[in-house]
Amino acid sequence: IAGITQAPTSQILAAGRRMTLRCTQDMRHNAMYWYRQDLGLGLRLIHYSNTAGTTGKGEVPDGYSVSRANTDDFPLTLASAVPSQTSVYFCASSDSGLDGAGELFFGEGSRLTVL
Amino acid sequence: GQNIDQPTEMTATEGAIVQINCTYQTSGFNGLFWYQQHAGEAPTFLSYNVLDGLEEKGRFSSFLSRSKGYSYLLLKELQMKDSASYLCAVRDSNYQLIWGAGTKLIIKP
Repeated sequence: IAGITQAPTSQILAAGRRMTLRCTQDMRHNAMYWYRQDLGLGLRLIHYSNTAGTTGKGEVPDGYSVSRANTDDFPLTLASAVPSQTSVYFCASSDSGLDGAGELFFGEGSRLTVL
Repeated sequence: GQNIDQPTEMTATEGAIVQINCTYQTSGFNGLFWYQQHAGEAPTFLSYNVLDGLEEKGRFSSFLSRSKGYSYLLLKELQMKDSASYLCAVRDSNYQLIWGAGTKLIIKP
């Protein structure tokens, strides 16, 4: 693995189902993030983690949860998917937290469709 | 509210120069980023400006004027592979990144 790996790359999901998007990084970055990207809108932060064991809410956290049990993994869970959660989800990491100057490294994205 | 404005789409010719503008209104300022995103791919970092002036990196340059809430990304000697979306993002006083919707750049031969 080199960089950030997301899985699945694409998924079609029935409304009401539970779904976990996986994210793993091998760069030993402290900070990790989940964004969603929708047509015509900028990237919107869902949740973030500045270091293992801590998480925080971003701009659009409702309906999503995260955990950060270790440095490498940062899964995003949709407890009960709704059609408005249809989007492309990007996981990202940086070697500094939100107040650092570090660039973000993004995974390839997970395209989720909720029917 | 906080706002980042970029043109939705621009077209330029291979070999030419193009300037992509970004204006912002945010609660404070702690740096501005430019990212490139090819269709269906992840965004990749291009530049970071925190002080006024021009930062040059090869064919790409980024300019910042904090007093005007303005930045631009300048791409020289355009190549077909530069066809992509260019995302402007500003870090506000709470160190939250505010993203523009991106500018889709189309390069024509």
